[in-house]
Amino acid sequence: DVKVTQSSRYLVKRTGEKVFLECVQDMDHENMFWYRQDPGLGLRLIYFSYDVKMKEKGDIPEGYSVSREKKERFSLILESASTNQTSMYLCASSTNRGPYEQYFGPGTRLTVT
Amino acid sequence: AQSVTQLDSQVPVFEEAPVELRCNYSSSVSVYLFWYVQYPNQGLQLLLKYLSGSTLVKGINGFEAEFNKSQTSFHLRKPSVHISDTAEYFCAVRRGGGYNKLIFGAGTRLAVHP
Repeated sequence: DVKVTQSSRYLVKRTGEKVFLECVQDMDHENMFWYRQDPGLGLRLIYFSYDVKMKEKGDIPEGYSVSREKKERFSLILESASTNQTSMYLCASSTNRGPYEQYFGPGTRLTVT
Repeated sequence: AQSVTQLDSQVPVFEEAPVELRCNYSSSVSVYLFWYVQYPNQGLQLLLKYLSGSTLVKGINGFEAEFNKSQTSFHLRKPSVHISDTAEYFCAVRRGGGYNKLIFGAGTRLAVHP
């Protein structure tokens, strides 16, 4: 079974703090994704990576950056957290061979106060 | 450009009743469609997918969906729901440009009442 894990289930940070969210997958997938989930908006893509050190912006990259130094690990960084970044963050991974589904981690609920 | 519209934000239903969750898509590329389920405080889990072939797709937990190209729809159905089906359901379509990127709908919250 594919397993995607995220470093924290719940996180509370203060405005202006630097925040790291980490995601690890164990299926040797090429692609990894970060989404944020907000009520009524579904999942919106923040960034994705298709290989080590390779990344592309998604639909809402402002205020975020990412890092992929190893194939299995994909980090989302909030350089200076703001209250409008309070959300559920979901990590996913997929193979690059064929039109296959994405596999999701359990999510991190981030609250910025 | 691709997009996904889930026509109902909430669907209340009684246990053992049938349910249909509606999804319409637009896509200018080959269509690959997915339904995911999210139980409370969990990540998303794949229910079923349409890649090609038969337009009726069967998934886990007794769910099925029908791909209708002329109506650009991919509605999810279950003939008899259980309390445990209470969850949020997301329809998604694969984007163009490779890498298996998806576009998700806004979600439909299914509430099953006893």
